Amino acid sequence: DAKTTQPPSMDCAEGRAANLPCNHSTISGNEYVYWYRQIHSQGPQYIIHGLKNNETNEMASLIITEDRKSSTLILPHATLRDTAVYYCIVRDTGTASKLTFGTGTRLQVTL
Amino acid sequence: SAVISQKPSRDICQRGTSLTIQCQVDSQVTMMFWYRQQPGQSLTLIATANQGSEATYESGFVIDKFPISRPNLTFSTLTVSNMSPEDSSIYLCSVGGQVYTGELFFGEGSRLTVL
Repeated sequence: DAKTTQPPSMDCAEGRAANLPCNHSTISGNEYVYWYRQIHSQGPQYIIHGLKNNETNEMASLIITEDRKSSTLILPHATLRDTAVYYCIVRDTGTASKLTFGTGTRLQVTL
Repeated sequence: SAVISQKPSRDICQRGTSLTIQCQVDSQVTMMFWYRQQPGQSLTLIATANQGSEATYESGFVIDKFPISRPNLTFSTLTVSNMSPEDSSIYLCSVGGQVYTGELFFGEGSRLTVL
């Protein structure tokens, strides 16, 4: 699986959009981009994933660049409950392929 | 989504002992994984628990230290054997759905402290 690079930490004011970047310059054509988050003392939670098109669900939006070498997770209106570590992961579409977590970005949402 | 129950949620263990962690899922799932999260670190995959056959271990993890069972599609156990303080971690069970798309559901984890 391709490696990802994320900033170690970010701050965001409550109510503002949180834009979390991820670099995956070695991604291959059959690899998806996944985002998970881990709130303190809880198991990781799936957020969203995509292949090449932008995706949106009730939690977030995922913007993938045209060359697929980077992506941005957008939390449109961050709240204090969004404070967590956010992991960007790339994974092959093979059914047996597992998820490998990197170090993630620690997002702190402040008042 | 799947609801995952792990037992114990936390435990304090003595050096040299072994502890078995149970993972129960409320539905049949194809893929089950065991992860370890050491203090302040990210998650590291230990192994894939295969139903009806031996688990598939990642580099750095061996069956003698982390034996895994998966007797059916809703249950798995991970044993941490001959524990040392370096084994103090959170151990997490995760599952994929009937059709594994990479979306994983995680239990709340089992926090082990080895003295």
